[in-house]
Amino acid sequence: QSALTQPASVSGSPGQSITISCTGTSSDVGGYNYVSWYQQHPGKAPKLMIFDVSYRPSGVSNRFSGSKSGNTASLTISGLQAEDEADYYCSSYTSSNTLRVVFGGGTKLTVL
Amino acid sequence: QVQLVQSGAEVKKPGSSVKVSCKASGGTFRTDAVSWVRQAPGQGLEWLGGIIPLFGSANYAQRFQGRVTIIADESTSTTSMELSSLRSEDTAVYYCARGGVGASKSFDYWGQGTLVTVSS
Repeated sequence: QSALTQPASVSGSPGQSITISCTGTSSDVGGYNYVSWYQQHPGKAPKLMIFDVSYRPSGVSNRFSGSKSGNTASLTISGLQAEDEADYYCSSYTSSNTLRVVFGGGTKLTVL
Repeated sequence: QVQLVQSGAEVKKPGSSVKVSCKASGGTFRTDAVSWVRQAPGQGLEWLGGIIPLFGSANYAQRFQGRVTIIADESTSTTSMELSSLRSEDTAVYYCARGGVGASKSFDYWGQGTLVTVSS
């Protein structure tokens, strides 16, 4: 069981927008602005898409955006493209004394 | 450009240990945090622990405490992760990634992954 909760799957058509949620607690997502999002294509290493809730690393398309409200963070992808089809994982810093970083279970994005 | 290059795939017997290495280039090894993250087949990501070479000591996820050891060798810019008492559930791809402990809470560069298979 993952510490952060994500939907197992989402889908959208090319050109549409989708949002993936990531729900935690006040000890992780809600307590700190250290939520990150990763894109992972099959057989590849994850790629950082969003850090510190809403910042994009250099080279990441501005179609990707992040936000947070309370204990839930969100990743929005606008203008869906076929290449966006991948697994997406959220992560957060946690104040738990058993961990430093927690991940969500991952969301499979299908571009119809 | 930061690069993390990991050692090759391993096949291990239950009860044995495995050591995976991660050689860094292009960054500042002493102050760059390096974490280890694993992914079991068809499953999600799981953080095992991380280290900042400058400080020497590592932070570990409690569920792996006592079984995992992460060390850094400045002379070769290499971080290594050793997991002991292996069981079948440890079969996974193990990634090193920059960040996760200290000031950097996200993982901005990743190694290519190392498949560790535990089988009798």
